[in-house]
Amino acid sequence: NAGVTQTPKFQVLKTGQSMTLQCAQDMNHEYMSWYRQDPGMGLRLIHYSVGAGITDQGEVPNGYNVSRSTTEDFPLRLLSAAPSQTSVYFCASSYSVTINSPLHFGNGTRLTVT
Amino acid sequence: GQQVMQIPQYQHVQEGEDFTTYCNSSTTLSNIQWYKQRPGGHPVFLIQLVKSGEVKKQKRLTFQFGEAKKNSSLHITATQTTDVGTYFCAGPNAGGTSYGKLTFGQGTILTVHP
Repeated sequence: NAGVTQTPKFQVLKTGQSMTLQCAQDMNHEYMSWYRQDPGMGLRLIHYSVGAGITDQGEVPNGYNVSRSTTEDFPLRLLSAAPSQTSVYFCASSYSVTINSPLHFGNGTRLTVT
Repeated sequence: GQQVMQIPQYQHVQEGEDFTTYCNSSTTLSNIQWYKQRPGGHPVFLIQLVKSGEVKKQKRLTFQFGEAKKNSSLHITATQTTDVGTYFCAGPNAGGTSYGKLTFGQGTILTVHP
């Protein structure tokens, strides 16, 4: 199993550009989520999904969209990139929606918005 | 909303010294999870504590969950250079429509000097 796969690893965008961060898992996990990591702020939840066709907002959802058309994929879309979205983005999945099961993280995407 | 506070933010130790990081929640937690992130890497699940007053050990690491289930600690005995990284605690939001959200502390960055 590959686990949780994120692409790309690095990305540089200009302000106003749009892009999609890809996330796929091959563990048949119900739960998938996106976090951003900034220095001194820990990991903050952007959006999450408890199953195909179901998504919900996390702590910092503004400026991001998600969809969950299949169990495996959970892409994160930046509609109009802003410098404040410069961060490291992690996709994570877990077996159960009850949040008692541990999160499996991807390797991250380092995004810079100029 | 729920807050999970972690202290200290940074800890520098000499190899062989002990290390402790503390996690405090503003609300009672049903469980708490601990993760380790190596420099440049992604968070990796270490352990989950569920019961009030629970203590679990993994080799040199000792994890505790407070009696009131609002605080937790991670203690490392005789640190080694392989312990370097950021340690996060994470707790689930309580009930309601927030069951899919896992809130992370800000993390403690551990540096070990050989």
